[in-house]
Amino acid sequence: KAGVTQTPRYLIKTRGQQVTLSCSPISGHRSVSWYQQTPGQGLQFLFEYFSETQRNKGNFPGRFSGRQFSNSRSEMNVSTLELGDSALYLCASRLSSPPETQYFGPGTRLLVL
Amino acid sequence: AQSVAQPEDQVNVAEGNPLTVKCTYSVSGNPYLFWYVQYPNRGLQFLLKYITGDNLVKGSYGFEAEFNKSQTSFHLKKPSALVSDSALYFCAVRTRDDKIIFGKGTRLHILP
Repeated sequence: KAGVTQTPRYLIKTRGQQVTLSCSPISGHRSVSWYQQTPGQGLQFLFEYFSETQRNKGNFPGRFSGRQFSNSRSEMNVSTLELGDSALYLCASRLSSPPETQYFGPGTRLLVL
Repeated sequence: AQSVAQPEDQVNVAEGNPLTVKCTYSVSGNPYLFWYVQYPNRGLQFLLKYITGDNLVKGSYGFEAEFNKSQTSFHLKKPSALVSDSALYFCAVRTRDDKIIFGKGTRLHILP
């Protein structure tokens, strides 16, 4: 089976712009989670989608949003980008509910100038 | 507050020696515990997990972890380190209310 894929792998944006990141989960996986990884804050949970519904949410401002499509693919959107949004954004998928293991994609590295 | 602590930012071990990467947690109830490894410019790779049962869990690449409920710890171990084990290691806890908490990560350096 193909693993979790994320596009694009690298992205450069300027402050104030918005960005959309895409994640395709492992075939058959219905849950997709998003994480932000920075050197200072480590890995922080953004949100989880399951069957097109947001199932859980971390402590991020409303500028961060996501959605999931009927084929389980997910997108994450960040509006009004700030310098502090520069990070590696990781997507992870799993079959359904805990304690199913999450499998991570390679990430999208976002640089905000 | 629920949390996961990896008390060492970096661990240095000589090749061939045993290694331990420490993790302690503070969550309510019985948590699910995970270890992941991250190589440069890559996503996280799953190593092993503890759900219930035997306190010693065996995982990928010869790694194992010991769950200790009284000490709320889940230390990652390997009997004989390889240079290729050098990477960033994350401990994670999934709580009963379905939130996942990651530790800050421990950078493991295996010295040839």
